[in-house]
Amino acid sequence: AQSVTQLGSHVSVSEGALVLLRCNYSSSVPPYLFWYVQYPNQGLQLLLKYTSAATLVKGINGFEAEFKKSETSFHLTKPSAHMSDAAEYFCAVSRWGGSQGNLIFGKGTKLSVKP
Amino acid sequence: DAGVTQSPTHLIKTRGQQVTLRCSPKSGHDTVSWYQQALGQGPQFIFQYYEEEERQRGNFPDRFSGHQFPNYSSELNVNALLLGDSALYLCASSLDGNNEQFFGPGTRLTVL
Repeated sequence: AQSVTQLGSHVSVSEGALVLLRCNYSSSVPPYLFWYVQYPNQGLQLLLKYTSAATLVKGINGFEAEFKKSETSFHLTKPSAHMSDAAEYFCAVSRWGGSQGNLIFGKGTKLSVKP
Repeated sequence: DAGVTQSPTHLIKTRGQQVTLRCSPKSGHDTVSWYQQALGQGPQFIFQYYEEEERQRGNFPDRFSGHQFPNYSSELNVNALLLGDSALYLCASSLDGNNEQFFGPGTRLTVL
């Protein structure tokens, strides 16, 4: 069965610092992995996705994630944090892989950015 | 392109009542999924509709039911509301054969 674990419910960084949000997955099939961002009182916006192509995936707003099969990880990074990055971030795995799988989400990591 | 839209934005109900939430998918999408997001939690999958039929279902009781219309829009119905049903309900649309889901802004349901 597929599952996702996000390490750290709350991460705080200074503006301009590296952002690293951790996600580990468990999947019985080759996984499709996603990172979503949620701003207060809003829905989820897709940041990036891994669908078995390149292991380093670039997304919107300067974020990227690297798929590491040996570590079953899909950590999200951004070289330099901006105040506007403050939000909640969710890692998700497609339940059965491929097109029809519904998403299984982690519990989320709230990112705070200090001036 | 309006994206995924949901109505209403907020809703307050009392225990035992019934509620209907609505979703219009992104233009060109034919698949609608519903998720429940409790406060401080990640979204949990309720069910998915494709070709007007429920194709997948998560671990939710039969009090949760849905419908998809010929224009691909969808409704989520919850009967006999419980306090624990208070949550943000998110609708996501996608195109069958594509794994990318686009989310709406959600409906905030409060059960008193």
